[in-house]
Amino acid sequence: QSALTQPRSVSGSPGQSVTISCTGTSSDVGGYNYVSWYQQHPGKAPKLMIYDVSKRPSGVPDRFSGSKSGNTASLTISGLQAEDEADYYCCSYAGSYRVFGTGTKVTVL
Amino acid sequence: EVQLVESGGGLVQPGGSLRLSCAASGFTFSSYWMHWVRQAPGKGLVWVSRINSDGSSTSYADSVKGRFTISRDNAKNTLYLQMNSLRAEDTAVYYCAREMDTAMFDYWGQGTLVTVSS
Repeated sequence: QSALTQPRSVSGSPGQSVTISCTGTSSDVGGYNYVSWYQQHPGKAPKLMIYDVSKRPSGVPDRFSGSKSGNTASLTISGLQAEDEADYYCCSYAGSYRVFGTGTKVTVL
Repeated sequence: EVQLVESGGGLVQPGGSLRLSCAASGFTFSSYWMHWVRQAPGKGLVWVSRINSDGSSTSYADSVKGRFTISRDNAKNTLYLQMNSLRAEDTAVYYCAREMDTAMFDYWGQGTLVTVSS
């Protein structure tokens, strides 16, 4: 039950794109197409942004997209906006368990 | 409107016990798997436990196995987390979350803070 590995931080200017990686193993990320991503602003509960690797819930802007290759999933934010500055966490199914990533702080320069 | 409201957090001494509750409304509670996720101050999200829709199956993170017990009362639309033998490292905000589909947590509570300290 080790946490999935994410970069500690990424940054970009408004309008740019940033990509956050989420690396696990064949027992979690690589073994299933059940990866989700969450946005968390300070003092708030997490918000679902992506599920099933690349699906967006209604209401989430289409500049958020997800993908997966092997044991690594990725979240891309295109056309970065000030309100995207937050912490982002991936989560994967792992059989009886769920496992979250270590978290990435996105800074909008 | 879907709502999840946690309660029961507070200050407890090491070795003590606490029971958290999560009151659900706005959806058919008995149809969904439910989870507890925690976040230590300034740290990341950590999955704690899950329970299936009828309460017959549970699982736990290794860090809490044998100390925490998840349960639910579908008649009362309430999820519980019984926490025993608490340690300083259990200090965190505890969130309950609804699992809409596999590893898809679509609704979260506001969290309740548990502080383990002497």
